[in-house]
Amino acid sequence: NAGVTQTPKFQVLKTGQSMTLQCAQDMNHNSMYWYRQDPGMGLRLIYYSASEGTTDKGEVPNGYNVSRLNKREFSLRLESAAPSQTSVYFCASSDRVKGGWGGGGRGEAFFGQGTRLTVV
Amino acid sequence: QKEVEQNSGPLSVPEGAIASLNCTYSDRGSQSFFWYRQYSGKSPELIMSIYSNGDKEDGRFTAQLNKASQYVSLLIRDSQPSDSATYLCAVKNNQGGKLIFGQGTELSVKP
Repeated sequence: NAGVTQTPKFQVLKTGQSMTLQCAQDMNHNSMYWYRQDPGMGLRLIYYSASEGTTDKGEVPNGYNVSRLNKREFSLRLESAAPSQTSVYFCASSDRVKGGWGGGGRGEAFFGQGTRLTVV
Repeated sequence: QKEVEQNSGPLSVPEGAIASLNCTYSDRGSQSFFWYRQYSGKSPELIMSIYSNGDKEDGRFTAQLNKASQYVSLLIRDSQPSDSATYLCAVKNNQGGKLIFGQGTELSVKP
């Protein structure tokens, strides 16, 4: 099992360029998330998708768009990159919380390896 | 006000001591609570989850949840230098599906 796979791992963009960060999970999870991480700021939620076909804004959505292509894939697009978008981006996925104490499906999120993006 | 708040630290404890990490949250509809550990340059990894009031123990780690006070904590007993990392508190509202993180607490365990 690969878990959550993000591409690319590193990217340098010029101001105004566009790019799409790809994320795929093979755990059959319903929910997927995009976060950015800046020094001292923890993980800030950009967008999330609670299930296939739905997307919602998180804490810092401005300048980003997302597409939940299917249950496995959730992409993040920067239409016109700005230096303020220099950050480390993480994709994550989780299952829905199920009732009871059985294993699995308790909502834990699993993360990809991150994309280090620099906008110059 | 951030939805999930942690003391940013750094928190420094000697080897063998108990490290205490705290987290508060604002959404009373939150139902799932998580602690993640993140080493420098790495992805966050789940170390504890808790869903009901009280304590949950797993090895050297104990998570504590008090929904009335909107407070979650993590205790690390017999701290080791390998525990030196940033610890992230995360809170999920299962109705909306949003998973929000605090800013993280940097822990340093000195030999």
